[in-house]
Amino acid sequence: SQTIHQWPATLVQPVGSPLSLECTVEGTSNPNLYWYRQAAGRGLQLLFYSVGIGQISSEVPQNLSASRPQDRQFILSSKKLLLSDSGFYLCAWSPLSGQGPATEAFFGQGTRLTVV
Amino acid sequence: AQKVTQAQTEISVVEKEDVTLDCVYETRDTTYYLFWYKQPPSGELVFLIRRNSFDEQNEISGRYSWNFQKSTSSFNFTITASQVVDSAVYFCALARDNYGQNFVFGPGTRLSVLP
Repeated sequence: SQTIHQWPATLVQPVGSPLSLECTVEGTSNPNLYWYRQAAGRGLQLLFYSVGIGQISSEVPQNLSASRPQDRQFILSSKKLLLSDSGFYLCAWSPLSGQGPATEAFFGQGTRLTVV
Repeated sequence: AQKVTQAQTEISVVEKEDVTLDCVYETRDTTYYLFWYKQPPSGELVFLIRRNSFDEQNEISGRYSWNFQKSTSSFNFTITASQVVDSAVYFCALARDNYGQNFVFGPGTRLSVLP
């Protein structure tokens, strides 16, 4: 069966420090991968998605970047965190990469990031 | 452009009451997919249902039911005989049938079921 791992679960970082959140998927190959952010009391905002190794699409301009060094690994990074980067970050995968019917996305357990 | 609206920000009901969560979507695509997710206090999003635009048949799964009305661009979710464990934030989402498959989520509805 497929599983998604996201870590760490919580993180408190000072302003200006770097960030690296990691997400890995097991039990499938060539998935679509996503990073979402959920600000407190708000909906989900898509930050990045990837349809393959090294292929990253950004949905909003921001202080963050994403990389996909391996097929089932997706990393969210920042060189210098801002206070506004605080939020709940969710990694997700969907089983189909490429054209075809949309399938459901499966989410990790999230990382609660507090920038202080 | 695609958009999902969940006009109800928060709903409170007493246990055993029925509750309907509204979802209205906008898209110019003829083929699209609609989803409902549940986000319990733990934070993880739990997939509930997927519906494609060609299937307007309503679905029932236990206490959950979904009403897809293409004519009004709505995909409403009803919980019958609500329970405290149903307390969560519920998200409606829309996805395109294309490469990249971006999901557009609504803002969510926070449901509180009181004992």
